Amino acid sequence: EVQLVESGGGLIQPGGSLRLSCAASGFRVSSNYMSWVRQAPGKGLEWVSVIYTGGSTYYADSVKGRFTISRDNSKNTVYLQMNSLRAEDTAVYYCAKTGTIGDGFGMWGQGTVVTVSS
Amino acid sequence: DIQMTQSPSSLSASVGDRVTITCRASQSISTYLNWYQDKPGKAPKLLIYAASSLQSGVPSRFSGSGSGTDFTLTISSLQPEDFATYYCQQSYSTPFTFGGGTKVEIK
Repeated sequence: EVQLVESGGGLIQPGGSLRLSCAASGFRVSSNYMSWVRQAPGKGLEWVSVIYTGGSTYYADSVKGRFTISRDNSKNTVYLQMNSLRAEDTAVYYCAKTGTIGDGFGMWGQGTVVTVSS
Repeated sequence: DIQMTQSPSSLSASVGDRVTITCRASQSISTYLNWYQDKPGKAPKLLIYAASSLQSGVPSRFSGSGSGTDFTLTISSLQPEDFATYYCQQSYSTPFTFGGGTKVEIK
């Protein structure tokens, strides 16, 4: 079955770190453009980061310097390392796949909830 | 960064109505524009990519048009399952920004 499954979310104190995982099945993450998109409670969608097929990475200004996207081709998994977490990072985090960089996110995971609170 | 502005932010419509949502980019993005449907508790769903291409499995009552800076999403005959929030998103350059969303509610 072709799917994305996120994990790693939870409750974390401000300033803490968390690593999200996105396990893919049915296709290779290395052959696709993989993004993270988040949605804060009651808010809209916010693109967070992307890793290109060639390995280049890009970030939203709101997370630059704090978040790092990476992938493990042997595990067919994409990661989002989140450091120096803030209350405003509280959101559902989705992993999403794009086959061609100009096209939309045609496949999404179910999301994982990150809550930053003391 | 490219800013995406949607209008209206919300609308009320009845089943069977024709609904149009607009999205404007702060600079030209050619046809690198995508539309999503978002429902509570579910992952967003891609409806239209490259401004006017219908994603596989999406009903033909959804259509998209536009290029450059101005785009529209049209639902030709609103169905009960279409009540949701709709977002545009540009894939021209990073950061891949989303619009603020349009909530379609039942009249």
